[in-house]
Amino acid sequence: EVQLVESGGGLVQPGRSLRLSCAASGFTFDDYAMHWVRQAPGKGLEWVSGISWNSGSIGYADSVKGRFTISRDNAKNSLYLQMNSLRAEDTALYYCAKDMLIRTSGSLFDYWGQGTLVTVSS
Amino acid sequence: EIVLTQSPGTLSLSPGERATLSCRASQSVSSSYLAWYQQKPGQAPRLLIYGASSRATGIPDRFSGSGSGTDFTLTISRLEPEDFAVYYCQQYGSSGPTFGQGTKVEIK
Repeated sequence: EVQLVESGGGLVQPGRSLRLSCAASGFTFDDYAMHWVRQAPGKGLEWVSGISWNSGSIGYADSVKGRFTISRDNAKNSLYLQMNSLRAEDTALYYCAKDMLIRTSGSLFDYWGQGTLVTVSS
Repeated sequence: EIVLTQSPGTLSLSPGERATLSCRASQSVSSSYLAWYQQKPGQAPRLLIYGASSRATGIPDRFSGSGSGTDFTLTISRLEPEDFAVYYCQQYGSSGPTFGQGTKVEIK
């Protein structure tokens, strides 16, 4: 059974940093691209960032480019999101999502974690 | 960036009725790389349809997708009580996937 468990969310002041983690199990982690998708309270879904199976290809939404960094550790079956210079508009539930396509990045999300809440406020 | 516009914003229907949800793209979605997700309150989204018309694993056949180019449709043939939720379309054909704003299917 595929499981994705996010952690690292919390309350943080504007301008500060936070690091999210996603622990994956139930599939061959290093065969699939992984992504972060966020959802502001009461709002829709927004893709944040994605990383290919071998970290060779990385993408970011314009809204986070230059502030967020995605990475993965295939030996630990883990995905990360380093978030710097946080803003109030970054407040959201952050989901870790698995790409459906093997050894390529299709940005099609077939499994999602339950999310970790990030609140940016003074 | 491809902008996806979903309509209607809210659909009020009774169990057993047919639901038709629309998703329109600001430019053509390459190779029909269009997906639909269902999200219930307090839950993560669930993949329903990909490639515009292929059902994901375990999705009942009352869910069907159609369309190409810029116009796509999700149809739920007969609404079950568990189908009342928010539905999102998503394009994954161009760099930087984008989602529609969602359609809420509520009980009338």
